[in-house]
Amino acid sequence: GNSVTQMEGPVTLSEEAFLTINCTYTATGYPSLFWYVQYPGEGLQLLLKATKADDKGSNKGFEATYRKETTSFHLEKGSVQVSDSAVYFCALSDGPSGSRLTFGEGTQLTVNP
Amino acid sequence: GAGVSQTPSNKVTEKGKYVELRCDPISGHTALYWYRQSLGQGPEFLIYFQGTGAADDSGLPNDRFFAVRPEGSVSTLKIQRTERGDSAVYLCASSITGGKNYGYTFGSGTRLTVV
Repeated sequence: GNSVTQMEGPVTLSEEAFLTINCTYTATGYPSLFWYVQYPGEGLQLLLKATKADDKGSNKGFEATYRKETTSFHLEKGSVQVSDSAVYFCALSDGPSGSRLTFGEGTQLTVNP
Repeated sequence: GAGVSQTPSNKVTEKGKYVELRCDPISGHTALYWYRQSLGQGPEFLIYFQGTGAADDSGLPNDRFFAVRPEGSVSTLKIQRTERGDSAVYLCASSITGGKNYGYTFGSGTRLTVV
């Protein structure tokens, strides 16, 4: 079946450091790809998405590019802030209608001042 | 409403008891989803409603789990004969319409603890 693999965490960075969180997927067809973020004490929020190969999703300084050839959707940010500390989940659309999501296990990011 | 509302936010129940978890989606959203998130894991799909009908219930783990959405808005997830392994955060999400190009809006979840 379809699956998502995220880099093992947790990840700890200093403020203004460069961030990469790796995500690779296995899927039949051409799923949409998503990054969700879960801030402490809050619900899951959609961070960005890409619906086809070579699309770049971006939001709040975060970017991810849909790479079909490497089946990857790595999350990047050039300069992280303390407020970016959260758990990040990579996901793909799945199921007969593409409506359900298959998530990775999540990566805990801690940014220190 | 402004967001997806889930009640209760926390539920502690004894093993073997019956529980109901409620989800109130964003007004006008036709698609509604239930997921389960165990500690340290990503959410796992349970069931997807399009309107009043379950379009995909392939994620329900066994026949102790059942969900309804009788009027196409509020949904209730029902768990019979609860087991300790059912302890998790149950998440509800809604979207304007089903389809892979839409991101969901998630609720804050119901934390279920079976003792």
